[in-house]
Amino acid sequence: DTAVSQTPKYLVTQMGNDKSIKCEQNLGHDTMYWYKQDSKKFLKIMFSYNNKELIINETVPNRFSPKSPDKAHLNLHINSLELGDSAVYFCASSRRLAGGPTGELFFGEGSRLTVL
Amino acid sequence: TQLLEQSPQFLSIQEGENLTVYCNSSSVFSSLQWYRQEPGEGPVLLVTVVTGGEVKKLKRLTFQFGDARKDSSLHITAAQPGDTGLYLCAGAYAGGTSYGKLTFGQGTILTVHP
Repeated sequence: DTAVSQTPKYLVTQMGNDKSIKCEQNLGHDTMYWYKQDSKKFLKIMFSYNNKELIINETVPNRFSPKSPDKAHLNLHINSLELGDSAVYFCASSRRLAGGPTGELFFGEGSRLTVL
Repeated sequence: TQLLEQSPQFLSIQEGENLTVYCNSSSVFSSLQWYRQEPGEGPVLLVTVVTGGEVKKLKRLTFQFGDARKDSSLHITAAQPGDTGLYLCAGAYAGGTSYGKLTFGQGTILTVHP
């Protein structure tokens, strides 16, 4: 079983469309994240949820809306897609808040979004 | 804005050579992690360092955390083609609104040629 799974893996769409990426983790973790990796491989946090509560919300356009129906799921919906949204989006989870001795991030395989 | 500067950005070496990747910041970390990412996959944790001056070894990989907890290095001895990948450092700045947020460096793309 994949620990952190996200779908779809590839997404090609036109500007102006709305799309969603889904993420599920079966590790029993309390915290989930969305990261964006650009073409230069720079990885930047977008959102984080802890026990379904939004705790990190970086400077992200409000066209991006995360939703966590339960601790095991964190979805990302993007409205009115723009060319600059093209990137690889990674879902991740951690047992505790990231960074500490128990804050290892477990990443999904990524969802490559291409906006034409 | 807390920045993590990672260098070099690209590294292309021959099998058997040694290399060092650096990660620096003007801010103090509560902890620092190193991840490795292969094409088409997500990053995978290699190590977490927490204490200033800490040194951790993982086979041919040696990780150091600076005494002041502002910098870290990854040293690979006798690199092998299987070491090829993207290496990312990530720092956690505890406290305040930064709690729980990892800031990643720009990454080092390592290519080891047979």
